[in-house]
Amino acid sequence: GENVEQHPSTLSVQEGDSAVIKCTYSDSASNYFPWYKQELGKGPQLIIDIRSNVGEKKDQRIAVTLNKTAKHFSLHITETQPEDSAVYFCAALRDARQLTFGSGTQLTVLP
Amino acid sequence: GAGVSQSPRYKVAKRGQDVALRCDPISGHVSLFWYQQALGQGPEFLTYFQNEAQLDKSGLPSDRFFAERPEGSVSTLKIQRTQQEDSAVYLCASSLAPGNYGYTFGSGTRLTVV
Repeated sequence: GENVEQHPSTLSVQEGDSAVIKCTYSDSASNYFPWYKQELGKGPQLIIDIRSNVGEKKDQRIAVTLNKTAKHFSLHITETQPEDSAVYFCAALRDARQLTFGSGTQLTVLP
Repeated sequence: GAGVSQSPRYKVAKRGQDVALRCDPISGHVSLFWYQQALGQGPEFLTYFQNEAQLDKSGLPSDRFFAERPEGSVSTLKIQRTQQEDSAVYLCASSLAPGNYGYTFGSGTRLTVV
């Protein structure tokens, strides 16, 4: 089955700096890669996603890049704000049924 | 409804007790998923429904876990003879149709087995 590894597990940045979270996946048949933000006591919220036929996607301060050959994908958050503090999960999907999640990154934005 | 609704939000069960967790997906969403999230971990897939049909239950950890969606809308996850290792947050997600990858998650039910 699919295996998704996520790094780092914790990340602290100063407000206004950029944050980068990286993931690798094992199943070359995976074709959809979402990123979720999870705040305490809430369910994961989709913040951006990318499909395997696209190399990069951007939405305001958030961008995702995908390297299919290396099976890497990354989340980039620019101009971080305190409200960006949360746990972020990457995930990979192969057959529209089973999302496989990474282990999460606790992002803390220091004011 | 506007989002995926799960109840109860919190459940404390004594070891050996049976529990039932409810999920109300977004109205009209065909696909429904259950995930289990242990403390400090990412969610793990349990089972998938397309309308009332349970098409994938490969993630259910044991035969004590059972899920149903009899009318293709509300779903119930039942855990029989709960064990301490069942303590986790149980998340439900729905999407409009198979192949539509815009999953919306509920806030989950936190189950604590004592």
